[in-house]
Amino acid sequence: EVQLVESGGGLIQPGGFLRLSCAASGFTVSGNYISWVRQAPGKGLEWVSIIYSGGDTFYADSVQGRFTISRDNSKNTVYLQMDSLRAEDTAVYFCARAPTITTNFDSWGQGTLVTVSS
Amino acid sequence: DIQMTQSPSSLSASVGDGVTITCRASQSISSYLNWYQQKPGKAPKLLIYAASSLQSGVPSRFSGSGSGTDFTLTISSLQPEDLATYYCQQAYSHPTFGGGTKVEIK
Repeated sequence: EVQLVESGGGLIQPGGFLRLSCAASGFTVSGNYISWVRQAPGKGLEWVSIIYSGGDTFYADSVQGRFTISRDNSKNTVYLQMDSLRAEDTAVYFCARAPTITTNFDSWGQGTLVTVSS
Repeated sequence: DIQMTQSPSSLSASVGDGVTITCRASQSISSYLNWYQQKPGKAPKLLIYAASSLQSGVPSRFSGSGSGTDFTLTISSLQPEDLATYYCQQAYSHPTFGGGTKVEIK
């Protein structure tokens, strides 16, 4: 069974940093396209970042230079390092799998809440 | 970036009604368009990919159509469990989502 489990969310002060984890089971992260998608409270979905099966990484303009996506194939886990956090980064962060580059996200985690506030 | 515009932003319909949601892309995206359903407090669920292909396990009352810049999601006979917000997402370039359509049951 394909499963994604996020962890690492919490309350953090503006300017702080946090690392989210997305542990996968039932498939290999190295053979798929894994994205982070966030949803601010009461708002819609916003794509944040993606790591391709080949290792290429891409970011939304809103997080470029502050967030870094990576993966550990031995742990079958994808990470999102979030630095210089801002209040507007407050959201539930989902990781999602796309089996192909056409990013049809067919499996999602349950999400982890990040709250940036002093 | 490719902008995705959904309409309406919300709708209310009765059980058994047909429901149509539209999504427009700011430039042509061929058929690289996906639809998701998100129920309150839950993760999104893929319903339709490549504009018109039904994801495995999704009821056949859901269908998608369109290409280029204009797309539609149709629920042929609304059911109580279809209460949710629906999002389109373009997959032509780095993903972007529409603003969502909240479907309520009368």
